[in-house]
Amino acid sequence: DIQMTQSPSTLSASVGDRVTITCRASQSISSWLAWYQQKPGKAPNLLIYKASSLKSGVPSRFSGSGSGTEFTLTINSLQPDDFATYYCQPYTGYPLTFGQGTKVEI
Amino acid sequence: QVQLVESGGGVVQPGGSLILSCATSGFTFNSYGMHWVRQTPGKGLEWVAFLSYDETNKYYADSVKGRFTISRDNSKKTLYLQMNSLRPEDTALYYCAKDLYTNAWAVPCDYWGQGTLVTVSS
Repeated sequence: DIQMTQSPSTLSASVGDRVTITCRASQSISSWLAWYQQKPGKAPNLLIYKASSLKSGVPSRFSGSGSGTEFTLTINSLQPDDFATYYCQPYTGYPLTFGQGTKVEI
Repeated sequence: QVQLVESGGGVVQPGGSLILSCATSGFTFNSYGMHWVRQTPGKGLEWVAFLSYDETNKYYADSVKGRFTISRDNSKKTLYLQMNSLRPEDTALYYCAKDLYTNAWAVPCDYWGQGTLVTVSS
């Protein structure tokens, strides 16, 4: 099974900040990585797939990069609506796994 | 508009059984693989099971293998999760989720339901 190490677990930021979240895979997953945003009491929302492809409707301040074992989610100019928990997910096969999550808080 | 609505959650004693349902609309159900994913209150996400669009591929997390069964009724556009031999550690909010692509094998989920809560307790 592929293990993902996501960091940091909590991130304190302010509106307008540039925020970076990292996921490291236990083995190479090429670009088969997705990022989700989850707000309290809500289901996860897919933001990015294939490491850097933005899902339709997701604001362009979100971007993803990386390949192999190291990946990054960047939020440029953090907005109030972006305070949430973010998860990475590799998808090279089964069982699927998720990173532990990064809570972005004020 | 894509909609996924889970139901069937509740309180059950350890060793008991429960069947979850996920009624869908707004997309061609029989063209998409479907997943169950769970989340313990205040904790992270745990993938539970996957069933391909044509039911030929079925996968489970080790934690539920042999106890849970995923199935679908394409005529009713509904996904199911039969849960047997339930344990306290199965307590979680259970989401159903839809594959991003049609006829795919291992892809992210682009739509999720709001979840149904399963509590296993005596």
